Amino acid sequence: SQQGEEDPQALSIQEGENATMNCSYKTSINNLQWYRQNSGRGLVHLILIRSNEREKHSGRLRVTLDTSKKSSSLLITASRAADTASYFCATASFYNQGGKLIFGQGTELSVKP
Amino acid sequence: DVKVTQSSRYLVKRTGEKVFLECVQDMDHENMFWYRQDPGLGLRLIYFSYDVKMKEKGDIPEGYSVSREKKERFSLILESASTNQTSMYLCASSLLRQQFANTGELFFGEGSRLTVL
Repeated sequence: SQQGEEDPQALSIQEGENATMNCSYKTSINNLQWYRQNSGRGLVHLILIRSNEREKHSGRLRVTLDTSKKSSSLLITASRAADTASYFCATASFYNQGGKLIFGQGTELSVKP
Repeated sequence: DVKVTQSSRYLVKRTGEKVFLECVQDMDHENMFWYRQDPGLGLRLIYFSYDVKMKEKGDIPEGYSVSREKKERFSLILESASTNQTSMYLCASSLLRQQFANTGELFFGEGSRLTVL
């Protein structure tokens, strides 16, 4: 069962621009996480935001969470070619998902130099 | 840094063969997971384990089994490989943090790309 859905599926921008990716989900959650995956590699955890938090920052990353709209966004500021990767949101819900993390299908980001 | 190591990056097997995918983590994590990743389907949980000798079915356990004899090692077994099991397999681990502990951040291995001919 897919919980998170990312939008857009693919995004192409120029170096220096900001990249925004969105994630929507269906049921209430305890936390939402964002991961990054370089082509052919494993996923790397970027940031976790709890259901009682609205915004979180980590370096050039900014994550927001709107539980009333059941949505989250990941903003990468001043993007670099090295940010080219797929980005996944994953939701965690103790009660609706048996505590499992459910991943979305990802946004493929391409940053052109 | 947490390191999750998957034994093989690339494997090619024949239909009907028994396949072992090994995963080892070095940070004393209680929870370990096996996912498969396919284009258009995202990551799907096959099995997970929150303790030695414990295992829980994920969303797509059919055709797979797992073994966790030691805390640091979690093996995925394909008893009789089929072509529809051609996929990228990802192992992950996480700390035990709370009752429903498999909701903290996951640390992934580099993946094992399996092709079944």
